[in-house]
Amino acid sequence: AQRVTQPEKLLSVFKGAPVELKCNYSYSGSPELFWYVQYSRQRLQLLLRHISRESIKGFTADLNKGETSFHLKKPFAQEEDSAMYYCAQRADAGGTSYGKLTFGQGTILTVHP
Amino acid sequence: DAGVTQSPTHLIKTRGQQVTLRCSPKSGHDTVSWYQQALGQGPQFIFQYYEEEERQRGNFPDRFSGHQFPNYSSELNVNALLLGDSALYLCASSPKTGWETQYFGPGTRLLVL
Repeated sequence: AQRVTQPEKLLSVFKGAPVELKCNYSYSGSPELFWYVQYSRQRLQLLLRHISRESIKGFTADLNKGETSFHLKKPFAQEEDSAMYYCAQRADAGGTSYGKLTFGQGTILTVHP
Repeated sequence: DAGVTQSPTHLIKTRGQQVTLRCSPKSGHDTVSWYQQALGQGPQFIFQYYEEEERQRGNFPDRFSGHQFPNYSSELNVNALLLGDSALYLCASSPKTGWETQYFGPGTRLLVL
């Protein structure tokens, strides 16, 4: 079964410090990986997906198949980055999962001034 | 475009009752997925609808059922409510086959007493 693990429920950093939110996945094929973010009182929204290789709001994430990881990084955290972050995976087209997303439990990031 | 909309926003029911939640997808989207998010957990996939049929289902009992209408809107029905069904229910829509990015609604918070 697919599983996504986010080992940190809470992460606190100071403004301007680097931040890394960890994510490990279990699917052995070629999954598609995502990071979703939920700001206070807002809906869940896509932050980035690995196939697009975009950098959104200064965040990047690299898929490491050897370590089955997809950690989210930002070199200089901002107070507005404080939010709940979810890592999610979707199995590849060879499977039968269509659009099903499997989410991790989430990490609450707090950026202090 | 208001994006994905869900109704109602909040709902209180008692054990044993039945509930119906509604979702209107983003304009141009024809695939609707439903997720259950318990407090402190990541969203869990319930099922996905495409072309008015349930295409895939997660590990949820038959008490959870759904429907998709010709205009692509969808309903989630839960029968014989249990206390453990208390959660935030999220609807996500995507275009074409569901392989594209899923856009989430604000959710319906269900409390079962």
